[in-house]
Amino acid sequence: NAGVTQTPKFQVLKTGQSMTLQCAQDMNHNSMYWYRQDPGMGLRLIYYSASEGTTDKGEVPNGYNVSRLNKREFSLRLESAAPSQTSVYFCASSSEAYEQYFGPGTRLTVT
Amino acid sequence: AQTVTQSQPEMSVQEAETVTLSCTYDTSESDYYLFWYKQPPSRQMILVIRQEAYKQQNATENRFSVNFQKAAKSFSLKISDSQLGDAAMYFCAYTGTYKYIFGTGTRLKVLA
Repeated sequence: NAGVTQTPKFQVLKTGQSMTLQCAQDMNHNSMYWYRQDPGMGLRLIYYSASEGTTDKGEVPNGYNVSRLNKREFSLRLESAAPSQTSVYFCASSSEAYEQYFGPGTRLTVT
Repeated sequence: AQTVTQSQPEMSVQEAETVTLSCTYDTSESDYYLFWYKQPPSRQMILVIRQEAYKQQNATENRFSVNFQKAAKSFSLKISDSQLGDAAMYFCAYTGTYKYIFGTGTRLKVLA
């Protein structure tokens, strides 16, 4: 049982480059999430998708876009990366009991 | 807006001893869920324990238990018989519907 998978695990971008972080879950969960984790700041919600076909902004959505491709997949896109987007990114899905299951994270560095 | 506050950036405990991590939250909602997550150096977020606000009984999971004080909006985590493998960052989290709010974390060190 893979749970939540994320690709890539590491990425280095130059300022202005674009990239997409991929996330997939095999637990048949309706809700999926993207967070960023910065030192001393815990996890901050970027975007979430309560169900297939819907997406909503979280606490820090600026500079990001998302796509809920189907029930399993939820991608995060950086159109023009900035150094302020250097962070660790986590994808998660949520069970009907509101328990969140996290992917292993992506460490992104923007130079 | 909901907030979650963890006022202890770092805590230490001797192996086999008990430690309590603090968390307070603020919300105007009456129905919500609270969680403690563990993040070891591997970076993987692991659910430790879950509490439904409508339940008066405190949740327990083996050596982990919570002290949930709804009126005081307090949700502390007690770890009994601490083990070296408990060393990690611990995050308190809140959700009312779909949005989750995380605290800034407490780093727990376990001393042999």
